[in-house]
Amino acid sequence: DIQMTQSPSSLSASVGDRVTITCRASQSITRNLNWYQQKPGKAPKLLIYAASILQSGVPSRFSGSGSGTDFTLTISSLQPEDFATYYCQQSYSTPYTFGQGTKLEIK
Amino acid sequence: QVQLQQSGPGLVKPSQTLSLTCAISGDSVSGNSGAWNWIRQSPSRGLEWLGRTYYRSKWYNDYAASVKSRITINPDTSKNQFSLQLNSVTPEDTAVYYCAREYWNPFRVDVWGQGTTVTVSS
Repeated sequence: DIQMTQSPSSLSASVGDRVTITCRASQSITRNLNWYQQKPGKAPKLLIYAASILQSGVPSRFSGSGSGTDFTLTISSLQPEDFATYYCQQSYSTPYTFGQGTKLEIK
Repeated sequence: QVQLQQSGPGLVKPSQTLSLTCAISGDSVSGNSGAWNWIRQSPSRGLEWLGRTYYRSKWYNDYAASVKSRITINPDTSKNQFSLQLNSVTPEDTAVYYCAREYWNPFRVDVWGQGTTVTVSS
């Protein structure tokens, strides 16, 4: 199975900050990498797919980059509603696997 | 707008079978645009993909090796829904279970059900 490793596991930031979360795959997954946001008690929500394509309806302050094994999710200017847990997921091959999550908290 | 509505019991006894159903609106279980997945989430295992079913001239299934001997995902075209059966459950199967649509090319899970908390306990 392809292992996905996110860093950091948690992050404290303030409204207006620029934040970057990193995801590393244990082997090349080309650009088959998706990012999700999850709030407590809710299902994950797709933000970015194919490494850099913004899902319809997602604010443009979210962006993704990377290919091969290394990927990043950037939030350009944090808003209060962005405080949540973020997950990466590889869709290169089954079994699909997720990162362990990055919890973004208010400083 | 595609929506998924999950149903099924929240409590299952050890060694019994966990059964959940996911009703689809706004898409077809036998459509060619993607696949229909089950994913679970627990504090100990995080988000764990369990398997999927999809139709490409015939029905296919893919399952995670960790549950392959115990899992069945079935489509029901008459009701436009799909189901999860997980046999011989243990407390380690306690989790929030999600059904989800996977859209292809590029591959991504773009629609999720509301989640069902399933506890395995006597």
